[in-house]
Amino acid sequence: GEDVEQSLFLSVREGDSSVINCTYTDSSSTYLYWYKQEPGAGLQLLTYIFSNMDMKQDQRLTVLLNKKDKHLSLRIADTQTGDSAIYFCAESAAKSGGYNKLIFGAGTRLAVHP
Amino acid sequence: EPEVTQTPSHQVTQMGQEVILRCVPISNHLYFYWYRQILGQKVEFLVSFYNNEISEKSEIFDDQFSVERPDGSNFTLKIRSTKLEDSAMYFCASSESPNRGDQPQHFGDGTRLSIL
Repeated sequence: GEDVEQSLFLSVREGDSSVINCTYTDSSSTYLYWYKQEPGAGLQLLTYIFSNMDMKQDQRLTVLLNKKDKHLSLRIADTQTGDSAIYFCAESAAKSGGYNKLIFGAGTRLAVHP
Repeated sequence: EPEVTQTPSHQVTQMGQEVILRCVPISNHLYFYWYRQILGQKVEFLVSFYNNEISEKSEIFDDQFSVERPDGSNFTLKIRSTKLEDSAMYFCASSESPNRGDQPQHFGDGTRLSIL
């Protein structure tokens, strides 16, 4: 069945780059997303990538997609303390025929220290 | 920027009682969703809703759950007889279209439901 896996925790120094990794199982997924959750808040969409792309860059964020290995990564350049949050990888389960049901990973908690 | 709003932010209910969670989706969105996140677990899809009917539901969404769009702005999730295992954070989301990355789902801040 559909499944998304992420490492649970990442600690980086302020100013360094962060790389959060994700693997997924559904090869028919059309879109893959990264959401951010700050304490007490909802899920904020950060960026997405279409499955026929290899890379997408949006300011400090770079998404890399290896479709062969079903591996997705999010790189945050010049990580700041405000980037401390939980980052969720999600895939759209298009093959279910439903309306863009999202399948989420467990989330990676990013801790940024001075 | 328009956003999805959910009320209440925290709901405490006795086991066996009915609870209604409320959501106001973004005004021009046509597709609505509920997800839940049990503490320490993944965010799980519950149900999607379009054109006043359920489009898809998960195994979690059994007869105890129902959704409704009672007027032009609200979207509600009702749990008829709550169980302890219904304790979770419930997220509402909405989107303009069902399957386009450039029209993604936007989420509210969630309602934390605690069943005693």
